[in-house]
Amino acid sequence: GENVEQHPSTLSVQEGDSAVIKCTYSDSASNYFPWYKQELGKRPQLIIDIRSNVGEKKDQRIAVTLNKTAKHFSLHITETQPEDSAVYFCAASYNTNAGKSTFGDGTTLTVKP
Amino acid sequence: DGGITQSPKYLFRKEGQNVTLSCEQNLNHDAMYWYRQDPGQGLRLIYYSQIVNDFQKGDIAEGYSVSREKKESFPLTVTSAQKNPTAFYLCASRTFGQGNYGYTFGSGTRLTVV
Repeated sequence: GENVEQHPSTLSVQEGDSAVIKCTYSDSASNYFPWYKQELGKRPQLIIDIRSNVGEKKDQRIAVTLNKTAKHFSLHITETQPEDSAVYFCAASYNTNAGKSTFGDGTTLTVKP
Repeated sequence: DGGITQSPKYLFRKEGQNVTLSCEQNLNHDAMYWYRQDPGQGLRLIYYSQIVNDFQKGDIAEGYSVSREKKESFPLTVTSAQKNPTAFYLCASRTFGQGNYGYTFGSGTRLTVV
């Protein structure tokens, strides 16, 4: 089955700096890669996603890149703000497999004011 | 809790007791999922269902059971066979239509064995 590894497990940055979180996946059939943000005590929420036919996607301060050959994808947050502090999860899935996602172990991002 | 509701928010289970966690969605989503979240770990799939009256085991199904009698509902029962049930349980749903394939999550149930 699919295996997703996520690094780093914790990340601390100064407000205004950039943050990068990286994930690798094992199943070359995976074609959908979402990222979720989970604030303390709350539900995970989808913040951005990318499909295998796209190399990069951007939404304001966040962007995701995908390298299918190397089977890795990354989340980039620019101009970080204290409200970006949360746990971020990457995931991999393919639509023909019931859409079930395999998640990374999460990255705890702390943005220091 | 816009769209997908889990209850209760907190649940305490005694040794040897079965408990049922509720998950209801009004998003008209086809598929529903149960994940378990432990501290420092990612979300692990317990069970999932693509259509009514059909469901499949995920990676950690032992000690759990589910039903899908209605499209809107996907309850999870934690049985006495689950030896370490203390965790945060998340229910999710998604559509199989075009476009966004991401999950919508419920707000979770925190289960504690007492």
